[in-house]
Amino acid sequence: AQRVTQPEKLLSVFKGAPVELKCNYSYSGSPELFWYVQYSRQRLQLLLRHISRESIKGFTADLNKGETSFHLKKPFAQEEDSAMYYCALYGRGGGNKLTFGTGTQLKVEL
Amino acid sequence: DVKVTQSSRYLVKRTGEKVFLECVQDMDHENMFWYRQDPGLGLRLIYFSYDVKMKEKGDIPEGYSVSREKKERFSLILESASTNQTSMYLCASRSTPGGAKGYTFGSGTRLTVV
Repeated sequence: AQRVTQPEKLLSVFKGAPVELKCNYSYSGSPELFWYVQYSRQRLQLLLRHISRESIKGFTADLNKGETSFHLKKPFAQEEDSAMYYCALYGRGGGNKLTFGTGTQLKVEL
Repeated sequence: DVKVTQSSRYLVKRTGEKVFLECVQDMDHENMFWYRQDPGLGLRLIYFSYDVKMKEKGDIPEGYSVSREKKERFSLILESASTNQTSMYLCASRSTPGGAKGYTFGSGTRLTVV
């Protein structure tokens, strides 16, 4: 079975402070990990995926297979980063399904 | 740009009613999905479909059924709505091969069962 754990329901940081949203996963094969973001009153959208090793809107995430983690990081939080963030795992052995974590609400305060 | 359209943004239904949630995509995607989104529980997969007239149960199919008569349309059916089905419902589609990067979500239908 594939499982994604996001331990924090809410993360509150001040503008300019570093951000780290935690994500751990459980999967027996080689996973594909993603971060999705949902801004207020907008649809869920892909933020980044581990395969592309990209930085989007200043966010990065590194897949750590030893720790089975895929934490989302940004060095300096901006007010517009306030949103709900979901970590997701795509497992080919699990029926090609995308499994989501419970989400972390990021609130950036001025 | 792929468009996934959910016909209703808000719905209010009574307990016991039969409810249809409609989803249409315009990019000829083979795969379509229904999730429900609840605070503290994240997104949970209800049903999905790999092709026309095909359906597979997701993680929480109880109380739901689906219909896929045409490739572009995937309907979620609540045979007898109950208050614990009050939720935000998200539809998604994906091309194959597309893997996970090919998922596109609709804007959601917020269903309230009273």
